[in-house]
Amino acid sequence: DIQMTQSPSSLSASVGDRVTITCQASQDISNYLNWYQQKPGKAPKLLIYDASNLETGVPSRFSGSGSGTDFTFTISSLQPEDIATYYCQQYDNLPMYTFGQGTKLEIK
Amino acid sequence: QVQLQESGPGLVKPSQTLSLTCTVSGGSISSGGYYWSWIRQHPGKGLEWIGYIYYSGSTYYNPSLKSRVTISVDTSKNQFSLKLSSVTAADTAVYYCARVNPRGEQIDIWGQGTMVTVSS
Repeated sequence: DIQMTQSPSSLSASVGDRVTITCQASQDISNYLNWYQQKPGKAPKLLIYDASNLETGVPSRFSGSGSGTDFTFTISSLQPEDIATYYCQQYDNLPMYTFGQGTKLEIK
Repeated sequence: QVQLQESGPGLVKPSQTLSLTCTVSGGSISSGGYYWSWIRQHPGKGLEWIGYIYYSGSTYYNPSLKSRVTISVDTSKNQFSLKLSSVTAADTAVYYCARVNPRGEQIDIWGQGTMVTVSS
């Protein structure tokens, strides 16, 4: 099974800060990685697909990069509405999907 | 705009079968080549993929749950369903139904989720 490890597990930052979350796969998954945002009490929402492509309608302050085993998710300028938990998800091992454990983002 | 809505009991007794239904509105479950999925989230924890069904009826389940899971589809009602047998307290979670795109790579639409508690 492919394991996905996110870091940090929680993060506190100020409005306007650049925020970076990393996700590491236990084996090479090429660019077969998505990022989701889950706000409290809500379902997750797809933000980034294929490691670096912005889903339609998602603000451009969100971005993703990486390939192989190491991936990065970045918010260029943190906004109050970005408070959420962020998950990476691999789909290299279809039809089995695996999520990272999540990174909880809070405002400082 | 396709929307998904879960329904079913919020409380299930240990050893019984958890049954949930997802109603698809705004589009046909039979069109577009999508995969219709169930995902759960234990309280305060991360996301666990349970399985999916194609409109034709073909299924794939998470190996860790495979012996207890059945996902079925009713195209006449535009619904798909989840049955999880022999539940324990460890199955207490928020259960989401979701749509996976035709490439099978992204979960592009989610239901709002429904909390199911396993308790006597």
